[in-house]
Amino acid sequence: GQNIDQPTEMTATEGAIVQINCTYQTSGFNGLFWYQQHAGEAPTFLSYNVLDGLEEKGRFSSFLSRSKGYSYLLLKELQMKDSASYLCAVRDLSGATNKLIFGTGTLLAVQP
Amino acid sequence: DGGITQSPKYLFRKEGQNVTLSCEQNLNHDAMYWYRQDPGQGLRLIYYSQIVNDFQKGDIAEGYSVSREKKESFPLTVTSAQKNPTAFYLCASSPGQLNTEAFFGQGTRLTVV
Repeated sequence: GQNIDQPTEMTATEGAIVQINCTYQTSGFNGLFWYQQHAGEAPTFLSYNVLDGLEEKGRFSSFLSRSKGYSYLLLKELQMKDSASYLCAVRDLSGATNKLIFGTGTLLAVQP
Repeated sequence: DGGITQSPKYLFRKEGQNVTLSCEQNLNHDAMYWYRQDPGQGLRLIYYSQIVNDFQKGDIAEGYSVSREKKESFPLTVTSAQKNPTAFYLCASSPGQLNTEAFFGQGTRLTVV
């Protein structure tokens, strides 16, 4: 089966850096995605990792270690608008399927 | 403009009635997904379809049904067999390639009264 774990909530200060961790277990791993979701809205895509290492995109970076089943999303120069839920999702190809499985999300509160 | 559209945004249903949620995309995507989100929770997969006329159950398919007669459309029916249907429903689509992200519609908030 699949299992994706993230912290439930985090708090950080405007202008600071925050790291949101995600661990996963799946037999058919084929890529990891990070999404941002504001309350009552649809998730929006932030980043994608399929190979080990760091992917950087502006203030956002995402890291993947396939051997450890571990990823993190790094947000720099935090802004108040970054207050949202951050969802880790894994593409699972086990059993000839092509599923996109989400974690429970991490609710980030950015304080002044 | 290309995109994925869910309708309606808010839906009320009487207990015991079936209701169908619409999801249409003009992105020419092969794969489409339905998720359910409860307050403070992540997304749980209900059904997904990799190609027209084919679909598979996700983790919480009981009480739901889908069809994929056209590439553009993937409607979800919430049946009376679904014991706790009040939730936020999200539809998504993605191209057939594996290294591409899924795009989401704006969601339908279903309330059973």
